[in-house]
Amino acid sequence: SAVISQKPSRDICQRGTSLTIQCQVDSQVTMMFWYRQQPGQSLTLIATANQGSEATYESGFVIDKFPISRPNLTFSTLTVSNMSPEDSSIYLCSVAGGSSYNEQFFGPGTRLTVL
Amino acid sequence: GDSVTQMEGPVTLSEEAFLTINCTYTATGYPSLFWYVQYPGEGLQLLLKATKADDKGSNKGFEATYRKETTSFHLEKGSVQVSDSAVYFCALIGGATNKLIFGTGTLLAVQP
Repeated sequence: SAVISQKPSRDICQRGTSLTIQCQVDSQVTMMFWYRQQPGQSLTLIATANQGSEATYESGFVIDKFPISRPNLTFSTLTVSNMSPEDSSIYLCSVAGGSSYNEQFFGPGTRLTVL
Repeated sequence: GDSVTQMEGPVTLSEEAFLTINCTYTATGYPSLFWYVQYPGEGLQLLLKATKADDKGSNKGFEATYRKETTSFHLEKGSVQVSDSAVYFCALIGGATNKLIFGTGTLLAVQP
C-alpha cells in the first residue's frame, strides 16, 4: 500500500483566512481524493483531484471554496478558503490506483479548528 | 443511488466478548465492500475488503463475508480487546467511478 503524508497535521485558524493542506504520496497513483469528516460524522467526498486538469467536485462543494491542485501523480493540495467555524473538520486525502485499483488508502488527516 | 447502512453505536463490550457490527448496502451491479477503522486521533485504515459475492475478508481477527442475497457485509470478531476500541466504517465502491461511499460509522468501546 502507498504511504501518504499530510501537512499540517492540525491547525487553528481565524475566521476569514485560508489554509492550504498538502498531500504527498510515496509512489505515483492514478486517483487522489479529498474528504471532509465533520465532528462525530462520517466521511464526505469533496472532490476528485485530477492530474493536469480541474478537480471534479461533488454536490455541495465548489471550487471557489475548496480550490484543489494536482501538479503531478504524487502530490495534491486542498485549500479551505474564507474559513468559518463550520469548516472545522478533519480533512483527509486518499489515493487509489496501481495494483489495488479499487482500494483507497488514506492519509493521517489534517485536523482544522476555525475560531 | 448507492448507500451503506450500519448499526448505530456506541457498542460497548467487555474484553473477550463476541463482536458483530451490522452493515447492509444498496448498490447497482456488483460493488466492492470494505471495512475501515479509525483509532482515536488517527486517520482511516483499511481493515478488510471483499470484491465479490461469498468472498470473506479477514484481518487482525476480524472477518466479514460478502452476502449478495442479503446485501450485507457484517463485521465480526470472536474475542475483542481493549485495543480494538475505535470507530468502524463500512463502505462500498460501486460502478466505475471509484468513489467510496461510507456508512455513518459505529463507535466500539471495549472495557477491561
